[in-house]
Amino acid sequence: AQTVTQSQPEMSVQEAETVTLSCTYDTSESDYYLFWYKQPPSRQMILVIRQEAYKQQNATENRFSVNFQKAAKSFSLKISDSQLGDAAMYFCALRSYGQNFVFGPGTRLSVLP
Amino acid sequence: SAVISQKPSRDICQRGTSLTIQCQVDSQVTMMFWYRQQPGQSLTLIATANQGSEATYESGFVIDKFPISRPNLTFSTLTVSNMSPEDSSIYLCSVGPDSHSYEQYFGPGTRLTVT
Repeated sequence: AQTVTQSQPEMSVQEAETVTLSCTYDTSESDYYLFWYKQPPSRQMILVIRQEAYKQQNATENRFSVNFQKAAKSFSLKISDSQLGDAAMYFCALRSYGQNFVFGPGTRLSVLP
Repeated sequence: SAVISQKPSRDICQRGTSLTIQCQVDSQVTMMFWYRQQPGQSLTLIATANQGSEATYESGFVIDKFPISRPNLTFSTLTVSNMSPEDSSIYLCSVGPDSHSYEQYFGPGTRLTVT
């Protein structure tokens, strides 16, 4: 069975500071993808960033970057220069080839002005 | 990325009644998914709906309770039948992945409250 764990139910960060959200996963597949999704209070899920497991280079999207540690099965999200609009639930997700998405329990991020 | 709309955005229903949620996509997609998100929780997959075939339901979800239609490649409906307060949740429609991408995209959700 595939699992995704997010050990931080809640996090907070000061505006303009950097925060890292943790995610660990488990899969026996070698071909898989990892994602971070953001769900603001308005509730529409938005894809933040994705990482292909076969790529060693960590993905980056503007202020968002990941630290992908394949051997440790770790996939953390770093948000730099945090903004008030970053406040949301963040879900880590795993998709192995031919299988459905598996979502973690989520981390609620608060951004303090 | 696909643009997904859902109707209604929210509803308050009485127990014992049924509600049909519509999901419309702006492009043709092979795979559509329906998720339930209970308050403060993560997403739970209800079923996968592919055009031209019966929906595939996950453990704990049955067709009699959550009938799904997929008449074409841009539209699907989920019905929540014989509702009880435990069905109060956000219901999300999602599409993908397909041969061009690996991620899923989500609709805005339908917030259902059963009284």
